[in-house]
Amino acid sequence: AQTVTQSQPEMSVQEAETVTLSCTYDTSESDYYLFWYKQPPSRQMILVIRQEAYKQQNATENRFSVNFQKAAKSFSLKISDSQLGDAAMYFCAYKVGGAQKLVFGQGTRLTINP
Amino acid sequence: KAGVTQTPRYLIKTRGQQVTLSCSPISGHRSVSWYQQTPGQGLQFLFEYFSETQRNKGNFPGRFSGRQFSNSRSEMNVSTLELGDSALYLCASSGEDTRGEKLFFGSGTQLSVL
Repeated sequence: AQTVTQSQPEMSVQEAETVTLSCTYDTSESDYYLFWYKQPPSRQMILVIRQEAYKQQNATENRFSVNFQKAAKSFSLKISDSQLGDAAMYFCAYKVGGAQKLVFGQGTRLTINP
Repeated sequence: KAGVTQTPRYLIKTRGQQVTLSCSPISGHRSVSWYQQTPGQGLQFLFEYFSETQRNKGNFPGRFSGRQFSNSRSEMNVSTLELGDSALYLCASSGEDTRGEKLFFGSGTQLSVL
């Protein structure tokens, strides 16, 4: 069974600094996708970034980037120049290609200190 | 385009009752999936519908059911409610190409069972 593990229940960072959230996963599939979602107090899950497993290049979206280590089954999220609006729960998620079932980690609560 | 719309936002029911939640996907999206979010179990996949057919199902009892209409709107029903069904229920939609498609979530329905 596929599993996703986020080992950091909580993280905090000073505004404008950089923070890295960790995620590991376990799968025997070769065709899969990895995601980071953000859930602010409004509760809506917002897609932050997506990584295709077949791509070696790490995905980036503005201040957000990932470090995808396929052999180690590791998928960390780096947030640069942290802003107050980045404060939220962050969930790492996995899905097999062609299926719409997301498997989520337990989440990391990120606090931004002004 | 309007996002994923879930109604109602909040719902209070008593044990033994049944409840129906509604989800309208992004225009043009044909896949709708449902997730349950609780503090103890995290985010868990309930089921997914595509073109009015259930395509994938999570590990939930038969009291949880769903359907999808020809306009892709989906409903989720929970019968004989239990206290443990109290949760945030999230709906997500995605486009026709489900291979690596991004899932877009609504703001959820917060169900409280008393």
